[in-house]
Amino acid sequence: EAGVAQSPRYKIIEKRQSVAFWCNPISGHATLYWYQQILGQGPKLLIQFQNNGVVDDSQLPKDRFSAERLKGVDSTLKIQPAKLEDSAVYLCASSSSALVKSGGPSDTQYFGPGTRLTVL
Amino acid sequence: EDKVVQSPLSLVVHEGDTVTLNCSYEVTNFRSLLWYKQEKKAPTFLFMLTSSGIEKKSGRLSSILDKKELFSILNITATQTGDSAVYLCAVRLAGGTSYGKLTFGQGTILTVHP
Repeated sequence: EAGVAQSPRYKIIEKRQSVAFWCNPISGHATLYWYQQILGQGPKLLIQFQNNGVVDDSQLPKDRFSAERLKGVDSTLKIQPAKLEDSAVYLCASSSSALVKSGGPSDTQYFGPGTRLTVL
Repeated sequence: EDKVVQSPLSLVVHEGDTVTLNCSYEVTNFRSLLWYKQEKKAPTFLFMLTSSGIEKKSGRLSSILDKKELFSILNITATQTGDSAVYLCAVRLAGGTSYGKLTFGQGTILTVHP
């Protein structure tokens, strides 16, 4: 089974520039998550999609960050304009279902390799 | 505010030692607790725990959850240099707009010396 794919793996930009990240979840996984992991910290959820609908974007800085999952499969995360504090690893994860009533294998989130963003 | 705290923040041991990593949590609407190992970038899944007192085991790693005292431990016996990594604990919430959301702790950095 192929894992979660992300690109690019690394990106260096100057502040105020724009950047976009791409994620392809595991085939058949309905739920997709974008996390931001700043060095030395655990990942922080930015946005969660269930199919092509947003379930939770409460921690997404909406003045500069946007994300979409138009066909319920691939997703893109965009930052425009970037700030120095956006330097982080951006992780995409997917799970097969958010609708299971009790914890089970489908609750498990599988992560992609991440994109390391450096804002200069 | 939901909170997950891991301890210690870092740990240095020698090969063959046994280590215990701790994770305590304060969250509304608990569903499950997950442990991940992060070596370079992507966290890789280790365990998911939903019930108290039932130990999950995989090789030299084991984990258990105490839902009364709100904590979990991850044990690694006979450590090897390949166990060097950041170990992340995350709590999955249930219900409402937080459904499925993972709240992560800050991680424990484990370094195993030969």
